[in-house]
Amino acid sequence: EIVMTQSPATLSVSPGERATLSCRASQSVSSNLAWYQQKPGQAPRLLIYGASTRATGIPARFSGRGSGTEFTLTISSLQSEDFAIYYCQHYDKWPPWTFGQGTKVEI
Amino acid sequence: QVQLVQSGAEVKKPGASVMVSCKASGYSFTGYAINWVRQAPGQRLEWMGWINPGGGNTESSQKFQGRVTITSDTSASTVYMELSSLTSEDTAFYYCARGRYGDPLDYWGLGTLVTVSS
Repeated sequence: EIVMTQSPATLSVSPGERATLSCRASQSVSSNLAWYQQKPGQAPRLLIYGASTRATGIPARFSGRGSGTEFTLTISSLQSEDFAIYYCQHYDKWPPWTFGQGTKVEI
Repeated sequence: QVQLVQSGAEVKKPGASVMVSCKASGYSFTGYAINWVRQAPGQRLEWMGWINPGGGNTESSQKFQGRVTITSDTSASTVYMELSSLTSEDTAFYYCARGRYGDPLDYWGLGTLVTVSS
């Protein structure tokens, strides 16, 4: 089973600032990496897939990079609605398609 | 528009089984797999298994093998997830999510809270 590790656990930023979240896979997942946003009491929402492709309707301030084992999600200028928990997930080759433990982006 | 509507909250006793349903609409039901993901309080998301309604093939995480059964009813565009031998550690939100094998999960249901308590 591939282990996904995210850092930091919590990121404290101010509105308008840039946020960079990291995700590491215990073995290569190629570019088969997705990022999800989850707000309290809500289901996760797909933000990024293929490591760098924004999902439908996702603002351009969200960007993803990386391949292999190292990935980043950048939010270029944080808006109030971006404060949430972000999870990475691999979907490479075969299941289980594991998630990271999440990074909470807080004010 | 794509919608996944899940059944309501459940309270079960230890040792019992629970079945959660997920009714799909707004797309070709047999064209996409449905995955099940759970989230215990304060924990990370955990992939449980999936089913391809088009072919009927299914697979579950080794962690849940023997306890989870995923089925589909194409006439009702509905997928079912049954989890047996419940313990308090199974208390969690259970989500269904659309995604083909080896694809990200692009649409999610709102989740079903399953509480296991004596």
